[in-house]
Amino acid sequence: GQQVMQIPQYQHVQEGEDFTTYCNSSTTLSNIQWYKQRPGGHPVFLIQLVKSGEVKKQKRLTFQFGEAKKNSSLHITATQTTDVGTYFCAGPPGNDYKLSFGAGTTVTVRA
Amino acid sequence: GAGVSQSPSNKVTEKGKDVELRCDPISGHTALYWYRQSLGQGLEFLIYFQGNSAPDKSGLPSDRFSAERTGGSVSTLTIQRTQQEDSAVYLCASSLHRRNTEAFFGQGTRLTVV
Repeated sequence: GQQVMQIPQYQHVQEGEDFTTYCNSSTTLSNIQWYKQRPGGHPVFLIQLVKSGEVKKQKRLTFQFGEAKKNSSLHITATQTTDVGTYFCAGPPGNDYKLSFGAGTTVTVRA
Repeated sequence: GAGVSQSPSNKVTEKGKDVELRCDPISGHTALYWYRQSLGQGLEFLIYFQGNSAPDKSGLPSDRFSAERTGGSVSTLTIQRTQQEDSAVYLCASSLHRRNTEAFFGQGTRLTVV
């Protein structure tokens, strides 16, 4: 079955620094979605990428979908304490509809 | 309602008892998911409903777990003979179409088996 993997599992960042988290699928995805879960909360949709090679930005967050539509990345610049939480990627494989989630990258920020 | 609603928000039950968790998806959403999240862990897929299609039950951890979705709307997740390892947050999510749309999550039900 499809597997979605995220690395790293944990990311400890100094406030103001940049970091990138990666998402890799064992199968081609029809789209990739990113969610953020704040501590004690539930996952909330951030963005969706559909096209091969697509890049989207949300303020300090840059999302990229790989050319082969099997991987994605989330880059955060000038990390702030508000960025704390777990970031999940998710996507349905090209031949199915079920949304499969990665295990997430949990981000902590040192002030 | 405006969002996905789950009830109860918290449930404490004794080992061996049965529990029912309820999910009211956003009106008109055809896809509904149940996930389980243990403390500090990721989202463990349990079951997926899509319209009138047969549900994908491939994530249910044992035959003590079952779920149904009545009338394509409300869903109930039932855990029979609960065990301590069932303690977790159970999250429900719904989405509008089969693909290319975001999933909206409920606040979850925190289940504690004592």
